[in-house]
Amino acid sequence: KAGVTQTPRYLIKTRGQQVTLSCSPISGHRSVSWYQQTPGQGLQFLFEYFSETQRNKGNFPGRFSGRQFSNSRSEMNVSTLELGDSALYLCASSLVPGNDYGYTFGSGTRLTVV
Amino acid sequence: GEDVEQSLFLSVREGDSSVINCTYTDSSSTYLYWYKQEPGAGLQLLTYIFSNMDMKQDQRLTVLLNKKDKHLSLRIADTQTGDSAIYFCAENSSASKIIFGSGTRLSIRP
Repeated sequence: KAGVTQTPRYLIKTRGQQVTLSCSPISGHRSVSWYQQTPGQGLQFLFEYFSETQRNKGNFPGRFSGRQFSNSRSEMNVSTLELGDSALYLCASSLVPGNDYGYTFGSGTRLTVV
Repeated sequence: GEDVEQSLFLSVREGDSSVINCTYTDSSSTYLYWYKQEPGAGLQLLTYIFSNMDMKQDQRLTVLLNKKDKHLSLRIADTQTGDSAIYFCAENSSASKIIFGSGTRLSIRP
């Protein structure tokens, strides 16, 4: 079965712009989590969605938002981009929230802000 | 608080065993994980261990858990060049999210 699909793979944006990233979970998985990965901060939890509702949120400013659709696909949006938002954004899916058997990750979207 | 710590680098000779160590802080974590990340890729779940277990073996991988000391280790037997990657230790915290360590970069010497 298909894995977690993230689009686009690479993105270059200018400071002040906004960006939308997409994640399609594994078929049947209803929970989607987003992480930001940077060399300095490592993997930081952004948020988790289940049944179109945000269940959990990390410590990120309000410029970072997300949503989940009825088919479990999720998008995250970053507005007013800053240079420090340059990172690899990883999406992970699981059957249910806090799935004890671990998440399945996508390959990520590499965002570069110039 | 939630924190997972691991050393940043490990270099081993091809064919030797690699041991990657990790400490965590959330004693209520029920599962602990090891993920592998190869260059340009996402994270791949290698193995996980339930908190009431001391050891789990899966082919070349052995996970040891010392719950008293909150210490987790991953041993890779007969390390190969394909094992070169960053290895992340992680716990499912009481806040229902997975907390990751900073990752250990494993490099293999010929």
